[in-house]
Amino acid sequence: GNSVTQMEGPVTLSEEAFLTINCTYTATGYPSLFWYVQYPGEGLQLLLKATKADDKGSNKGFEATYRKETTSFHLEKGSVQVSDSAVYFCALSDITDKLIFGTGTRLQVFP
Amino acid sequence: EPEVTQTPSHQVTQMGQEVILRCVPISNHLYFYWYRQILGQKVEFLVSFYNNEISEKSEIFDDQFSVERPDGSNFTLKIRSTKLEDSAMYFCASGQTIYGYTFGSGTRLTVV
Repeated sequence: GNSVTQMEGPVTLSEEAFLTINCTYTATGYPSLFWYVQYPGEGLQLLLKATKADDKGSNKGFEATYRKETTSFHLEKGSVQVSDSAVYFCALSDITDKLIFGTGTRLQVFP
Repeated sequence: EPEVTQTPSHQVTQMGQEVILRCVPISNHLYFYWYRQILGQKVEFLVSFYNNEISEKSEIFDDQFSVERPDGSNFTLKIRSTKLEDSAMYFCASGQTIYGYTFGSGTRLTVV
C-alpha cells in the first residue's frame, strides 16, 4: 500500500544553519505530496505542496521538489530560525482523497 | 484567515463512557475529515465525510465510532464506549486534499 518514510528526529541545528529533512514515498499512480508543520500545542498547518512530478512547493523560505525518479520530496531551508522549531510531517494523498502521513520529524533550532 | 475550530481542547473521560468531539469546519467547505495522533506516533486517517455521508473510513473507525453533521455547521465524532487505547489527539479537517486541507488545533482525549 501507499506509505511515507521520513528521517527520524530530532534534528538539532543552530540558527542560520541549512536544513534538510528527507522524505520518500511509495505510491501507485501519481499522488500529491505535502509538508505539514505542527508547532508546540497547535494543530497541523499546511506548509507547502506539489501536485505533479518536478513541481516545487515553497513557503516561508522552505522548499521541496517532487522527484518521481527517486520517489522523494525532501524539505529544505537555507537558513533556519529558532521560530522554525516544530514537528514536520511529510504526507501524500492517494486517489481516495485521504492523507497518508510519515511519522514526523522534530526540528530543534538553538540560538 | 478561515479556521477550523475544535472543542473541547482537552477532554478526560472514564473508560466505557461516551464522548463527543466537536468541530466547526470552514463554512464553504464540503469535505470533512477526522484524523488521530496517538502520542509520539504518526497521524492516522479515521474517516472522510461528504454530502452528509461517510465517503471512506479506516480500519480504526469501527462500530464504536460515528460521525454526524447535525446542523449544517458542526461536524462531530462520537466514540460510544471509550477504551484506554482511544487516548490520542483528534484532529478535524475540512477542504479538499489536492489543495491541502485545513486542520483544527485538535482535541486531546485522555481515557482513564
